[in-house]
Amino acid sequence: GENVEQHPSTLSVQEGDSAVIKCTYSDSASNYFPWYKQELGKGPQLIIDIRSNVGEKKDQRIAVTLNKTAKHFSLHITETQPEDSAVYFCAAFSGGGADGLTFGKGTHLIIQP
Amino acid sequence: EAGVVQSPRYKIIEKKQPVAFWCNPISGHNTLYWYRQNLGQGPELLIRYENEEAVDDSQLPKDRFSAERLKGVDSTLKIQPAELGDSAVYLCASSPGLGLRETQYFGPGTRLLVL
Repeated sequence: GENVEQHPSTLSVQEGDSAVIKCTYSDSASNYFPWYKQELGKGPQLIIDIRSNVGEKKDQRIAVTLNKTAKHFSLHITETQPEDSAVYFCAAFSGGGADGLTFGKGTHLIIQP
Repeated sequence: EAGVVQSPRYKIIEKKQPVAFWCNPISGHNTLYWYRQNLGQGPELLIRYENEEAVDDSQLPKDRFSAERLKGVDSTLKIQPAELGDSAVYLCASSPGLGLRETQYFGPGTRLLVL
């Protein structure tokens, strides 16, 4: 089955700086890669996603890049703000087998004022 | 548009007791998922429904877990009897299905503590 590795587990950045979270996946059949933000006591919230036929996607301060050859994808957050503090999860969807998402273990992003 | 609704939000029970979680997906979403999220981990899939049919329950511990989605809308996940290791957050997600099955929207989850 699919295996998703996520790094780092904790990331602390100064407010206004950029943050980058990286993930790798194992199943070359995976074709959809969402990112979720989870705040304390809440469910994961979809913030951006990318499909395998696209190399990069941007939505205001967040962007995602995908390298299919290397099987890795990254989340970029620019001009970080205190409200960006949360746990971020990457995931991969292969469309076969369980048809669910396989998640990474999460990155705790801390924005220092 | 209302999101995925789950209840209860919190549940504390003693081991060996039964417990049930309820989920109402986003209106019109045919696909419904149940995930379990252990502390400090990402969600892990338990079961997927397409309308009322469980199309994949390979990750569901069938000796104690059961699920149903009788009318293809809301769903119930049950644990009987609960064990200490079942303490986790149980998340429900839904997606439009058809060609958009992978785009999943999560509810707030039910936090279960088994004592």
